[in-house]
Amino acid sequence: NAGVTQTPKFRVLKTGQSMTLLCAQDMNHEYMYWYRQDPGMGLRLIHYSVGEGTTAKGEVPDGYNVSRLKKQNFLLGLESAAPSQTSVYFCASRYRGLMNTEAFFGQGTRLTVV
Amino acid sequence: GIQVEQSPPDLILQEGANSTLRCNFSDSVNNLQWFHQNPWGQLINLFYIPSGTKQNGRLSATTVATERYSLLYISSSQTTDSGVYFCAVGNSGGGADGLTFGKGTHLIIQP
Repeated sequence: NAGVTQTPKFRVLKTGQSMTLLCAQDMNHEYMYWYRQDPGMGLRLIHYSVGEGTTAKGEVPDGYNVSRLKKQNFLLGLESAAPSQTSVYFCASRYRGLMNTEAFFGQGTRLTVV
Repeated sequence: GIQVEQSPPDLILQEGANSTLRCNFSDSVNNLQWFHQNPWGQLINLFYIPSGTKQNGRLSATTVATERYSLLYISSSQTTDSGVYFCAVGNSGGGADGLTFGKGTHLIIQP
């Protein structure tokens, strides 16, 4: 049981390049999330998904797209990377319950855009 | 949206000391989690505690939802306790809304 796994762990991009971050969870959770963490800050929500084929915007969605084609995977795409997107990206998942439920996080992806 | 404030922002202690970290939030919540971010950047779940008190070894947490605060207690600190402690809250009921994080408390335990 690996929990939440992110790929890759590190990446350096040039301005204007594109890339996709992959998040995979093996806990059969319905809800999945992408956050970013900037220096000295807590995490901020980029996009989230309530289930296969559905996505929604979070607090800081601009410059990112997401897709959830399979329940266990949540992809975060950067179409044209900018230096402002240099950050550490975290994926999280939790199951759907009558009340709020505990979220579990991946190990993070450190992205540098030069 | 909901605001989360953590205090103190920084804390330096000697090994063996006890500490209390505080998290204040601006609205009612039905989800509150404490995380430890270790020096390698990994987020480790400490407590899922929307209300009440829990203990896990040297760590314990209390959330008083009606007064909108939570406390994390660390006793007999060890150098491995160093890192950033985050409080994160949610108030979406059964919905899918994500967590709102505070800026964290940076804890340094010196040998």
